[in-house]
Amino acid sequence: GQQLNQSPQSMFIQEGEDVSMNCTSSSIFNTWLWYKQDPGEGPVLLIALYKAGELTSNGRLTAQFGITRKDSFLNISASIPSDVGIYFCAGFTSGTYKYIFGTGTRLKVLA
Amino acid sequence: NAGVTQTPKFQVLKTGQSMTLQCAQDMNHEYMSWYRQDPGMGLRLIHYSVGAGITDQGEVPNGYNVSRSTTEDFPLRLLSAAPSQTSVYFCASSRDSSNYGYTFGSGTRLTVV
Repeated sequence: GQQLNQSPQSMFIQEGEDVSMNCTSSSIFNTWLWYKQDPGEGPVLLIALYKAGELTSNGRLTAQFGITRKDSFLNISASIPSDVGIYFCAGFTSGTYKYIFGTGTRLKVLA
Repeated sequence: NAGVTQTPKFQVLKTGQSMTLQCAQDMNHEYMSWYRQDPGMGLRLIHYSVGAGITDQGEVPNGYNVSRSTTEDFPLRLLSAAPSQTSVYFCASSRDSSNYGYTFGSGTRLTVV
């Protein structure tokens, strides 16, 4: 089945550092979503992107919908310990009724 | 407002046993899905429903059945459990089949021995 490739798979960073991660696909999507999963919980929606080139922020998080519509990027500025978790991207194409999820980026923040 | 409720939270099954994972949402969402999460594999779609009485297969449907008799409930049945079905299962719902994103339940961790 189709899956999205996320990079990096995991990362350790120091508190206060900025974080960048990306998601790529061989298919075009109409919508890109970014989720965060805390340990033992379900994913929670962080940011939704609906237009190629769109840049959207949610607090310290900024995400971009790639111009080719085949990729998306998430940046976290000034990371804090509670940013630890798994970040998933998801793509959606109108009419398919399916969200395709990425493999996840596991973030660990060192205080 | 409870959102999406999954039960049980943990379950251990023996190979060959059957069981039903329950999922209920109280947001009047039309669209519901089941995903499984395995290490390094992300979330893979098992089955989904675009409304009561309508279900369809996702990427990994083998060994699972679903039904949607009401808007609120979307149970996932394991017919004859296998060790390969050891996973964390998430139910999710969305207000319709468009692009507003899912609300996820907190998951069911299933171990098949």
